[in-house]
Amino acid sequence: GENVEQHPSTLSVQEGDSAVIKCTYSDSASNYFPWYKQELGKRPQLIIDIRSNVGEKKDQRIAVTLNKTAKHFSLHITETQPEDSAVYFCAASILGGNKLVFGAGTILRVKS
Amino acid sequence: NAGVTQTPKFQVLKTGQSMTLQCAQDMNHNSMYWYRQDPGMGLRLIYYSASEGTTDKGEVPNGYNVSRLNKREFSLRLESAAPSQTSVYFCAGSTGVTDTQYFGPGTRLTVL
Repeated sequence: GENVEQHPSTLSVQEGDSAVIKCTYSDSASNYFPWYKQELGKRPQLIIDIRSNVGEKKDQRIAVTLNKTAKHFSLHITETQPEDSAVYFCAASILGGNKLVFGAGTILRVKS
Repeated sequence: NAGVTQTPKFQVLKTGQSMTLQCAQDMNHNSMYWYRQDPGMGLRLIYYSASEGTTDKGEVPNGYNVSRLNKREFSLRLESAAPSQTSVYFCAGSTGVTDTQYFGPGTRLTVL
């Protein structure tokens, strides 16, 4: 079936450094790729998304890139801060199924 | 506006007991989803409803049933709870599959 692989499973960075999380997907018809952030004990919340007609999207310190040929997309966080510490999930839409498939998540720790 | 709400927040069941998790949204979402979240496994889709009057199975539907009572409400029922169903359950809603999914606060379920 359709799946999304996410790497790394954990990532530790020093405050001020950049963090990159990568995902690959299997359904070539996928056209929507959101990223969610989940703080400890809280609900997941959307932080950025990208659609298949766009190669890159930025929102302040956060950016997402998409390579449809290789079927992978990445989240980039620059100038990391302690409040960026959380679990990050990528997801891909499954066309014709009206649903998303999520990656297993990345635990990001920003050390101050 | 309350957004997406879930009840109860916590629940402890004994093996074989049944219960219904309630979800409601006041965001006029067409689509609603039920996920379970287990450590290291991300968010796995149990059932979803693309629109009022329709429901479909997700990745892990066994042991669960759902009802889309109306546009606002989408309930998840465990007919005979098993320890393997110990998890955190999230309900979510969105306008469509390529739109932001808004998550409820979650229900932490323990089956003894």
